[in-house]
Amino acid sequence: EAGVAQSPRYKIIEKRQSVAFWCNPISGHATLYWYQQILGQGPKLLIQFQNNGVVDDSQLPKDRFSAERLKGVDSTLKIQPAKLEDSAVYLCASSNRVGEKLFFGSGTQLSVL
Amino acid sequence: DAKTTQPPSMDCAEGRAANLPCNHSTISGNEYVYWYRQIHSQGPQYIIHGLKNNETNEMASLIITEDRKSSTLILPHATLRDTAVYYCIAPLSGNTPLVFGKGTRLSVIA
Repeated sequence: EAGVAQSPRYKIIEKRQSVAFWCNPISGHATLYWYQQILGQGPKLLIQFQNNGVVDDSQLPKDRFSAERLKGVDSTLKIQPAKLEDSAVYLCASSNRVGEKLFFGSGTQLSVL
Repeated sequence: DAKTTQPPSMDCAEGRAANLPCNHSTISGNEYVYWYRQIHSQGPQYIIHGLKNNETNEMASLIITEDRKSSTLILPHATLRDTAVYYCIAPLSGNTPLVFGKGTRLSVIA
């Protein structure tokens, strides 16, 4: 079974630039999550999708972050414009259903200079 | 989520059992306890979960106290590859996403 795929693996940008991350969950998984992990901390949930609908985006900084999951399969997370404090690893995870175990991708490490 | 408390770091000798504690004194009767681990430069990996009874799988054992206020994850024969950050999580319900704390950094030493 293929795992959760994320790209790019690394990204370096300057502040005020925009960036996008892509995630392809495990086939058939209805629930998809984006987490932000700052160095030394545990992952922090940004947004949760159920199929192509948003279930929880209460922690997403909506003035600069946006996410979509068209067709209920893969997803993109965008930051525009980026700030220095956005430097982190962005993790995508999926599960068959809400409440079941999560499968994580390897993440995208973002450095904002 | 029920608040969980874990020691920030632990060491374990290779080949010995690693016992990672977690306090979740505010847990309710319906909340499962989940354990994940995160090896350097990778995403978190599911290990095990339980409600009341002790659980065992190919990776680890989970011991939950009778009052459910604490649990212990046991890696029976730790190897260097078990060096990772271990997260204990007690979500509010089966329909809420997982909230990760800082976890316990386990160092397995040769």
